[in-house]
Amino acid sequence: EADIYQTPRYLVIGTGKKITLECSQTMGHDKMYWYQQDPGMELHLIHYSYGVNSTEKGDLSSESTVSRIRTEHFPLTLESARPSHTSQYLCASSESLSHEQYFGPGTRLTVT
Amino acid sequence: DQQVKQNSPSLSVQEGRISILNCDYTNSMFDYFLWYKKYPAEGPTFLISISSIKDKNEDGRFTVFLNKSAKHLSLHIVPSQPGDSAVYFCAASGDPDSWGKLQFGAGTQVVVTP
Repeated sequence: EADIYQTPRYLVIGTGKKITLECSQTMGHDKMYWYQQDPGMELHLIHYSYGVNSTEKGDLSSESTVSRIRTEHFPLTLESARPSHTSQYLCASSESLSHEQYFGPGTRLTVT
Repeated sequence: DQQVKQNSPSLSVQEGRISILNCDYTNSMFDYFLWYKKYPAEGPTFLISISSIKDKNEDGRFTVFLNKSAKHLSLHIVPSQPGDSAVYFCAASGDPDSWGKLQFGAGTQVVVTP
């Protein structure tokens, strides 16, 4: 059973606010990922990390930033939220030599 | 450029019958394929996978078939149950330039009717 957590689950916030989406996993996985998904669309990778102090931008350009100071923690930050950031954000993790990714429950973000 | 395509956005099937979900890919470097299931307001959960060295993998009611020459895979669910109603995503991995990262299709919404 995968143990990966995301908070908050739902967030409604006004334009211009700074937000941080939290993601934590207790499996000791080295690799972690952030995806963005809109209804009826594929999951788009926006950030990934292969270990502490390693972060890379994904295939989809995003104004968000991430950090990986601890193995278990991979927060995503938006300095100034805009309506175009409204989406579902999914965090995932995997073992170093595995293709299988375990997903958290997601954060549904709405920017008004 | 979408490298993994699920051309059927939705599928309706009667309980007890077979559900067949299809997925096509364009990148010949992909060598590992996964299916995920997603309920509303939840994250995707891993269902079944297949390596390119195989053409079939079975796990209970779920079977995945891979046709490498056609760059096509399919997921069979038999018999379908009401709890199978969800969105199913196909994903692929293996491109050396993006090792470990998954490319996802847009998903197929499955509805199992009584």
